[in-house]
Order: sequence, then structure tokens, then C-alpha cells
Amino acid sequence: QKEVEQDPGPLSVPEGAIVSLNCTYSNSAFQYFMWYRQYSRKGPELLMYTYSSGNKEDGRFTAQVDKSSKYISLFIRDSQPSDSATYLCAMSERETSGSRLTFGEGTQLTVNP
Amino acid sequence: GAVVSQHPSWVICKSGTSVKIECRSLDFQATTMFWYRQFPKQSLMLMATSNEGSKATYEQGVEKDKFLINHASLTLSTLTVTSAHPEDSSFYICSARYRLAPYEQYFGPGTRLTVT
Repeated sequence: QKEVEQDPGPLSVPEGAIVSLNCTYSNSAFQYFMWYRQYSRKGPELLMYTYSSGNKEDGRFTAQVDKSSKYISLFIRDSQPSDSATYLCAMSERETSGSRLTFGEGTQLTVNP
Repeated sequence: GAVVSQHPSWVICKSGTSVKIECRSLDFQATTMFWYRQFPKQSLMLMATSNEGSKATYEQGVEKDKFLINHASLTLSTLTVTSAHPEDSSFYICSARYRLAPYEQYFGPGTRLTVT
């Protein structure tokens, strides 16, 4: 069983739609939860991070973490064609110099104008 | 700030040759750099963790004699793919750690390696 599971999609939505992206995980030691956006043939860029459970909002993006269910989500409101990319969830156990990120498979999102 | 570059962005080499990929943190010092490999439509798989001035720590299943990592300075790490074969063709991405927090890890643009 993979430590982090993410629906690879692809997901296609019309412009203006609300997008929900999700990941589940099995390692209860994960404490840091990140969402990255990756455009084709580019490196990932950090969108949001959350420590432990709770919600975090940044503009059109909202990240949610439910540690009791081992489930995290990223919501994109008023989606735009420029949001078309692959979205990767990533998790880490702790804040040390050697802590590693474990990534989900990534969900490919297309927002149609 | 927190920019990471990689060079080259794309390289084609013949089977049996070696290829070196550079990863640089341009505006910060990175005590730790990470090397990932990504196959098409798949996620990033951590290959190794590189700390400045010490030997890299490789993930299980990654051949350290094939993927040589050198972290010679606080701003430069290199990955050398030795005796490359077509199955080594992939997208290689490095990241550099800005601060201790896991989210303070910034990724390079990646290097596409094609071995013919």
C-alpha cells in the first residue's frame, strides 16, 4: 500500500467551477501537509502548507487537513484556465534537517475557458 | 527569492556515456538538497538526500554507484548518471532546503534526460 494515495484524474472542469482535490495517507506520523502545482515539464511550486489539522485559506485556494481521517483536500474557487496543471500533495513527518517529502501521484487538472 | 536552477534543462546522450546535472540555489545557502526522479504522469520519487560536505543518503533501490551525487558547496549539488541506459531516461528534479521546515524546500525546473 502506498503511503499517500491521490486520484490521478484527469479532471476537466469549466472555467469558474469549484475544484476539489484530495489525498489520503496511511502514516499517522505525518505532521506537515503541502500542495504543489506543477506545470508541464517544470518543477513543482509550493501552493499551500498546513501543519497538523485544520483549514487554511489563501485567495482562491483553501487547504483542509483531517488527521483523524488521514485525509487532506485542496479547494480551488473560481477556477481559471491558468490553473490547468498537475497538483501534487506532499507530506512530511517532522521539521528536521533531513525530513523528506512523500508525494502523491498528482492530479492532472484542465480548466476549460 | 528562493530560486533554484538546474543545468542543463534537456540532454540527450548515447547509451554507455555519463551525464552530469547541476543544481544551484541562486539566492540562498542550502545545507540540504534533494534529488528526485519523475516518470511521465507519475509522481516524484526521492532518489537521495544530499548534505553539504558529506556523503549523500540514497533511498532504497537507488544505485549509489550509478547515480553519483556531490554536494560540494552550500549552493551547488551535482548528479552524475554513469553509464547511462535508455531506462535511465526520465525527468530529474532537484530541490534545495531553505530552512528547516519541510515546506521550505524549493524545486528546480528539472532536467529531461533522454538516453538513446
